[in-house]
Amino acid sequence: DGGITQSPKYLFRKEGQNVTLSCEQNLNHDAMYWYRQDPGQGLRLIYYSQIVNDFQKGDIAEGYSVSREKKESFPLTVTSAQKNPTAFYLCASSISMGGTEAFFGQGTRLTVV
Amino acid sequence: RKEVEQDPGPFNVPEGATVAFNCTYSNSASQSFFWYRQDCRKEPKLLMSVYSSGNEDGRFTAQLNRASQYISLLIRDSKLSDSATYLCVVGNREYGNKLVFGAGTILRVKS
Repeated sequence: DGGITQSPKYLFRKEGQNVTLSCEQNLNHDAMYWYRQDPGQGLRLIYYSQIVNDFQKGDIAEGYSVSREKKESFPLTVTSAQKNPTAFYLCASSISMGGTEAFFGQGTRLTVV
Repeated sequence: RKEVEQDPGPFNVPEGATVAFNCTYSNSASQSFFWYRQDCRKEPKLLMSVYSSGNEDGRFTAQLNRASQYISLLIRDSKLSDSATYLCVVGNREYGNKLVFGAGTILRVKS
């Protein structure tokens, strides 16, 4: 089946640790995105990538890093510099940027313990 | 002013009711518009795209008013299963080339 796969579904991080969230898509989409959602709030854009080997900061990039070495993969690292990382993280992809609908993975729920 | 604004609700309606949501956007150069549905603790899923001429999909009708910069979603004959958060999404190839999500409107359909 074509789609977007995020892993893990649940992740627990100790304070001071870096963790990496996986996002893989087999839809042959050029654009990929990472969003963060806090309880009762909308989606906020962390990073996005229009094409392989290129990515741009979104609205809340501080404390996060990404890479886009392959078209299918867009992993997100939550670093120790992110002071409030507990949230629901959603990865999405679209055929291209801006004009086309995005499709989401099932999300990763990150909790700091 | 937020780029995309929605009434957060919640809208509490009985089964069978008709309910309408509005969404306003600030960037007049926006070119693409969508409604997404998000169930509790799940990922958003595309409900429908919104076209200039308006479009309908079963009980759902979406309208776009470019002059007033708002988008609407009408749900007829509400079902219990329609209970969810509805997200308005706007895209603009020039505006950072990204999709911007509203915070969502909560709908609760009760029997």
